[in-house]
Amino acid sequence: ETGVTQSPTHLIKTRGQQVTLRCSSQSGHNTVSWYQQALGQGPQFIFQYYREEENGRGNFPPRFSGLQFPNYSSELNVNALELDDSALYLCASSTETAFPNTEAFFGQGTRLTVV
Amino acid sequence: DAKTTQPNSMESNEEEPVHLPCNHSTISGTDYIHWYRQLPSQGPEYVIHGLTSNVNNRMASLAIAEDRKSSTLILHRATLRDAAVYYCILANTGNQFYFGTGTSLTVIP
Repeated sequence: ETGVTQSPTHLIKTRGQQVTLRCSSQSGHNTVSWYQQALGQGPQFIFQYYREEENGRGNFPPRFSGLQFPNYSSELNVNALELDDSALYLCASSTETAFPNTEAFFGQGTRLTVV
Repeated sequence: DAKTTQPNSMESNEEEPVHLPCNHSTISGTDYIHWYRQLPSQGPEYVIHGLTSNVNNRMASLAIAEDRKSSTLILHRATLRDAAVYYCILANTGNQFYFGTGTSLTVIP
């Protein structure tokens, strides 16, 4: 097992730009969820992908979009960046058939700063 | 969204047991109770989960009330490495976590 890896670890972008964050899921996990964590807050659910399809979405606007690839890795794309998008972005992987009676594995996150 | 309520912060002396409470009065029959912890600048780390019965693992114990409206995470001997924010989360077949603000645990040497 290689764990959940995210890239890049840190990123600085300008307001109005677009950003792509990447996540490689734990070996054998077919479900990836993305979370946004503002400073001092708990993570907020953005959306989840299962078998390359969006499988649930939190209260985030359409400029937050994603992809999941056949190897179950995933991307989070954010368009028209706003200052409030500055946060730690986390991805978590799990197996759809076993969850919630199993743990989810989180990556270390990508720290995005919008200036 | 399933809701949980936790104290904002707690303190414990090193090598003493810690009981972290969580209220989840709106829990449904299919909700599992998960606990994760997060160290600064790291992703959340799984601690333990359960449905109805008390659970033990190498990290902690989870005590679930008979009516399932509350639970308690028990760290049997707190160490400095246990200082973290602890999240109590209800998880269902929607495969999604809804985090609260968690409990920040300080361990005093």
